[in-house]
Amino acid sequence: DAGITQSPRHKVTETGTPVTLRCHQTENHRYMYWYRQDPGHGLRLIHYSYGVKDTDKGEVSDGYSVSRSKTEDFLLTLESATSSQTSVYFCAIRSGGDTGELFFGEGSRLTVL
Amino acid sequence: AQSVTQLGSHVSVSEGALVLLRCNYSSSVPPYLFWYVQYPNQGLQLLLKYTTGATLVKGINGFEAEFKKSETSFHLTKPSAHMSDAAEYFCAVASSGGYQKVTFGTGTKLQVIP
Repeated sequence: DAGITQSPRHKVTETGTPVTLRCHQTENHRYMYWYRQDPGHGLRLIHYSYGVKDTDKGEVSDGYSVSRSKTEDFLLTLESATSSQTSVYFCAIRSGGDTGELFFGEGSRLTVL
Repeated sequence: AQSVTQLGSHVSVSEGALVLLRCNYSSSVPPYLFWYVQYPNQGLQLLLKYTTGATLVKGINGFEAEFKKSETSFHLTKPSAHMSDAAEYFCAVASSGGYQKVTFGTGTKLQVIP
């Protein structure tokens, strides 16, 4: 158990509202990631973090921002949600060592009406 | 740049039959390769990984995969399918060195027919 908690697990919101998803880890890992999963697209990287206040964009970062003010929390914010952001969002952490193995949270299902 | 191609978004096998899920990758540096499994309404969990050394790697639940550099492939196999193997499987690649961005394939849903 990699100690990753995502919240909320389910959320329904309306177009144009802000949404923040939280990822919390208990194991002090440096690297944290946000992915979205959509049918036919697999998992696509939104943003990642390599330390407190150190973040960078992934391949589908438009419309998303992130923050990491402490090691254990990585927040994903949709400033103004759109229907195209309806998806399942997964947070992941990278295990220690150099092999890139990821541990995933259980996902947050977001529906934008 | 790196990429992953999984052939077949859906694969059906009979219980007890061979499972073969195909994955081809593209990477400009020696890759690390992974297979992850996702059961319904859950996150992904690591099935097996190749980093260096032996090209045939064994994972959990009787799965194994072979890294073939000449074919840029990392196909997943299991000799005998079980009903509990029904899930979605994702192949992924990471570059060996420096920051490791992990790129996933689009996934293959495995159906096991009794």
